[in-house]
Amino acid sequence: QKEVEQNSGPLSVPEGAIASLNCTYSDRGSQSFFWYRQYSGKSPELIMFIYSNGDKEDGRFTAQLNKASQYVSLLIRDSQPSDSATYLCAVNVGSNYQLIWGAGTKLIIKP
Amino acid sequence: GAGVSQSPRYKVAKRGQDVALRCDPISGHVSLFWYQQALGQGPEFLTYFQNEAQLDKSGLPSDRFFAERPEGSVSTLKIQRTQQEDSAVYLCASSTRGGVANYGYTFGSGTRLTVV
Repeated sequence: QKEVEQNSGPLSVPEGAIASLNCTYSDRGSQSFFWYRQYSGKSPELIMFIYSNGDKEDGRFTAQLNKASQYVSLLIRDSQPSDSATYLCAVNVGSNYQLIWGAGTKLIIKP
Repeated sequence: GAGVSQSPRYKVAKRGQDVALRCDPISGHVSLFWYQQALGQGPEFLTYFQNEAQLDKSGLPSDRFFAERPEGSVSTLKIQRTQQEDSAVYLCASSTRGGVANYGYTFGSGTRLTVV
């Protein structure tokens, strides 16, 4: 069983709407959760990260953790065409340096 | 430097050829990582350095893969006798913090390796 799972999409959202991306993880001991954005042909760039103790909001982005159900969400408010990308979820499992990655969800924002 | 620099940006190798991929991390960054990303997949961990010490190489797929960081700055990932399954983007990342999983890290632009 893959340790971090994401729906591959594509997820299509109208411009200005809220995009909701989810990621499930298998290790209950996971402490840190990361969302990266990856444009086609580019490397991943960090959007935000949260710890197991709480949610986080940063501008149009909100990351939420549901520990009981073992999933983490990324909400993008007022979606823009420039948000169209693949969103990768990564989870810290065990070590203090290694991240386990999902395969990513492709998000398309329709003008 | 301003960011993590990787070279070459693209590499085409004939099967059986040896290749060397270079990573120049952000100046002063202690931690350096190599990841492999196949098309449509997330990055897969290869190896981790803290300064010049290779602390974890558990993700290297075979003994054809070798990484070094002799002076604690620039790192080289070497793949011997390349095979078609080695075709992927190789990403390097660095971080100033040892406990990097608590802070994330910054990726370079990657090297796209195609083995023909």
